[in-house]
Amino acid sequence: GAVVSQHPSRVICKSGTSVKIECRSLDFQATTMFWYRQFPKQSLMLMATSNEGSKATYEQGVEKDKFLINHASLTLSTLTVTSAHPEDSSFYICSATGSGWETQYFGPGTRLLVL
Amino acid sequence: QQQVKQSPQSLIVQKGGISIINCAYENTAFDYFPWYQQFPGKGPALLIAIRPDVSEKKEGRFTISFNKSAKQFSLHIMDSQPGDSATYFCAASPYASGGSYIPTFGRGTSLIVHP
Repeated sequence: GAVVSQHPSRVICKSGTSVKIECRSLDFQATTMFWYRQFPKQSLMLMATSNEGSKATYEQGVEKDKFLINHASLTLSTLTVTSAHPEDSSFYICSATGSGWETQYFGPGTRLLVL
Repeated sequence: QQQVKQSPQSLIVQKGGISIINCAYENTAFDYFPWYQQFPGKGPALLIAIRPDVSEKKEGRFTISFNKSAKQFSLHIMDSQPGDSATYFCAASPYASGGSYIPTFGRGTSLIVHP
């Protein structure tokens, strides 16, 4: 149990376009979802935390207008990278947890390349 | 300020050997300590976790040792196998209001197990 999926797994886009990444909890209700960014050979950097039906809480230094997060249901959260630029190229990973759960369950990640 | 310090950054072990990864934390409010395993291009997967009320937890070849007074915990991989080659992250989290555990991750250890 506790499976999280992400789509797409890889995306290549042109600079200036917007990209949407979906994160789904397949077999549980995810009251909280998290979005991380990971650079090569580095740790996970938390970007934002979102609770279902509420606005996301962004970490310091993360531009909320650039990284739009929507958590419209208990099984789906989306991250939209608006007006993407090459420096936004990275590995984006979501995770999800249920109410009161200690553990986060991670998705497989999305590799974004902005040309 | 790094709240969870992980070492070593990289580790090379022969097949059948013991791999040991150490983490130290500062925040005494942390009360949940998971370890994650991440293969290249994939999301992290929960490996094993411990609460501070026990000093050791073992699951198969994986053991967490926890020293509350020293604020240190470590992962031991017994009989290391080439398939264990991956990046390992320790994490620590306090219980947050609203029921969500938001972990702080260590910087990761790249483990290579030679056949």
